[in-house]
Amino acid sequence: GAVVSQHPSRVICKSGTSVKIECRSLDFQATTMFWYRQFPKKSLMLMATSNEGSKATYEQGVEKDKFLINHASLTLSTLTVTSAHPEDSSFYICSANRGLGFPDTQYFGPGTRLTVL
Amino acid sequence: DQQVKQNSPSLSVQEGRISILNCDYTNSMFDYFLWYKKYPAEGPTFLISISSIKDKNEDGRFTVFLNKSAKHLSLHIVPSQPGDSAVYFCAASDRSGAGSYQLTFGKGTKLSVIP
Repeated sequence: GAVVSQHPSRVICKSGTSVKIECRSLDFQATTMFWYRQFPKKSLMLMATSNEGSKATYEQGVEKDKFLINHASLTLSTLTVTSAHPEDSSFYICSANRGLGFPDTQYFGPGTRLTVL
Repeated sequence: DQQVKQNSPSLSVQEGRISILNCDYTNSMFDYFLWYKKYPAEGPTFLISISSIKDKNEDGRFTVFLNKSAKHLSLHIVPSQPGDSAVYFCAASDRSGAGSYQLTFGKGTKLSVIP
């Protein structure tokens, strides 16, 4: 099956620092990856759509300067939370489209728990 | 304004019985629907999907039914097993839209299967 990995799985950082989260599709190429954020007992909130070789598309209300996304290759997208603050603490999940024949089926990474002290 | 609604936040079912999880949507442009299963502190796992040209799709113990006129879909799990206990998310996509095939998720239903 389609496998997506995320690294790190957990990170604790001090307020004001930046944190980079990696999302990799391990056995398929993904021209499109998505970044979600999940608050406790809430649904998955789409933050941005990451397209290989072009700028990410951010959802309304998501600060593009705070959440930097880079889709450097067909198997790697990174999300950098810049100058993190406690309110950025959350569970961040990435997903990738499998591609031809399954354009809508997204395969998710295991998520990254970010805690900002 | 929720376009995908899962009105039951939780559901408890006895092991071996049928679990029925419901999902309603409001956007008539949605034409592809998916169910995901999620354990705590993990990413969602794709379970099953259905295109709007079908009204039923079956995969082992999992069957998804789609009623387009009612804008309603349901996931049936038969027989339910304790390992099925998780949060189930319904998601929808508008494939007629340009580009990126974004998914719109419901809030999820927590299924507990009691041994």
